[in-house]
Amino acid sequence: AQKVTQAQTEISVVEKEDVTLDCVYETRDTTYYLFWYKQPPSGELVFLIRRNSFDEQNEISGRYSWNFQKSTSSFNFTITASQVVDSAVYFCALSESDSNYQLIWGAGTKLIIKP
Amino acid sequence: NAGVTQTPKFQVLKTGQSMTLQCAQDMNHNSMYWYRQDPGMGLRLIYYSASEGTTDKGEVPNGYNVSRLNKREFSLRLESAAPSQTSVYFCASRVMGVNEKLFFGSGTQLSVL
Repeated sequence: AQKVTQAQTEISVVEKEDVTLDCVYETRDTTYYLFWYKQPPSGELVFLIRRNSFDEQNEISGRYSWNFQKSTSSFNFTITASQVVDSAVYFCALSESDSNYQLIWGAGTKLIIKP
Repeated sequence: NAGVTQTPKFQVLKTGQSMTLQCAQDMNHNSMYWYRQDPGMGLRLIYYSASEGTTDKGEVPNGYNVSRLNKREFSLRLESAAPSQTSVYFCASRVMGVNEKLFFGSGTQLSVL
């Protein structure tokens, strides 16, 4: 069965520190998609990244980077030089190829960036 | 371009009351979804509609019904609200292709007393 685990319920760091949010997934499919979404205090869900299972290249977008490792079934998210505006709940999600996009979501990690 | 619009933003119901959550998207997407978000549990899929005229159950459909009125609109109905349905509800639509992803509405905070 598919499952997404975000073991870190809450992380608190001081501004400008680097922080990594962990995501571990389980699936029997060989074709699947992984996502990260951000939910700021305002409540909306904002798409950050989508990665398919055949693309293990790490991705960098500004201060954000993602490390996808199939060997450990992990898709971790790192924020470099964190800022107060990065404070949010971050969700990792999994979609299997034949699931008609029924995403399986992790429980989320609440990230608090202190000034 | 409004994206995905949900109404209402907040609602308080008494046990046994009924209500319909409205969702509309103006992006011409085929697929639409209803999720609920509960503390510590992430999002769970209630129902989805892969295309106009079709609907399917998700992970937690009990106590809910949906209607895909047309390509734009996908409503969620609670026939007899229960306290266990207190949650934040999100509607989403899906864009296909290489940039495939979900676009979410701003959410409806529902309390059932």
